[in-house]
Amino acid sequence: QKEVEQNSGPLSVPEGAIASLNCTYSDRVSQSFFWYRQYSGKSPELIMSIYSNGDKEDGRFTAQLNKASQYVSLLIRDSQPSDSATYLCAVLYTGGFKTIFGAGTRLFVKA
Amino acid sequence: EAQVTQNPRYLITVTGKKLTVTCSQNMNHEYMSWYRQDPGLGLRQIYYSMNVEVTDKGDVPEGYKVSRKEKRNFPLILESPSPNQTSLYFCASSLVAGAGQPQHFGDGTRLSIL
Repeated sequence: QKEVEQNSGPLSVPEGAIASLNCTYSDRVSQSFFWYRQYSGKSPELIMSIYSNGDKEDGRFTAQLNKASQYVSLLIRDSQPSDSATYLCAVLYTGGFKTIFGAGTRLFVKA
Repeated sequence: EAQVTQNPRYLITVTGKKLTVTCSQNMNHEYMSWYRQDPGLGLRQIYYSMNVEVTDKGDVPEGYKVSRKEKRNFPLILESPSPNQTSLYFCASSLVAGAGQPQHFGDGTRLSIL
């Protein structure tokens, strides 16, 4: 059974701080990794995707992937109250093309 | 506007009454998928389709059917709905399957089965 684990939170950080969100996955046969943001009552929207080991930066967001440790993280710098949402980690598995989502981490950014 | 459109957005119905949730995308995407989202469980994949006439089971396919007769449409069918299928459902699509393409989600359909 393939699994994607996230700390459900809530994670609370002050405005301007760095928020660190973590995700582990159980199957080494994984291809692509995604972070989605979901506001309450809304559909998920893509924040970042990462396919290779290392860091990938896009504005205030940095995704980090370590395939040996089966670990992917998302850093949000200069956190804003508008970043308050649930962040979903998703893993696309090779071969079956299945996508497994974690249960999500709720982030609160306090003004 | 590029989008994934689901209908209906909300539905309250009774056990055993067949229903269909439609999903349509206008982006010429090959890959489409259905998810259900329940509190504490996140998004769980029901079925996915890599192209027309090609579908496969996700993690929670029991009680659901799908078809992909046209590239743009991927309806979700509940032949005999039961209360444990009360959930928030999302349809999603991506350009191709298996190439790391991100998925674009519809606005969701909230189903209540009484």
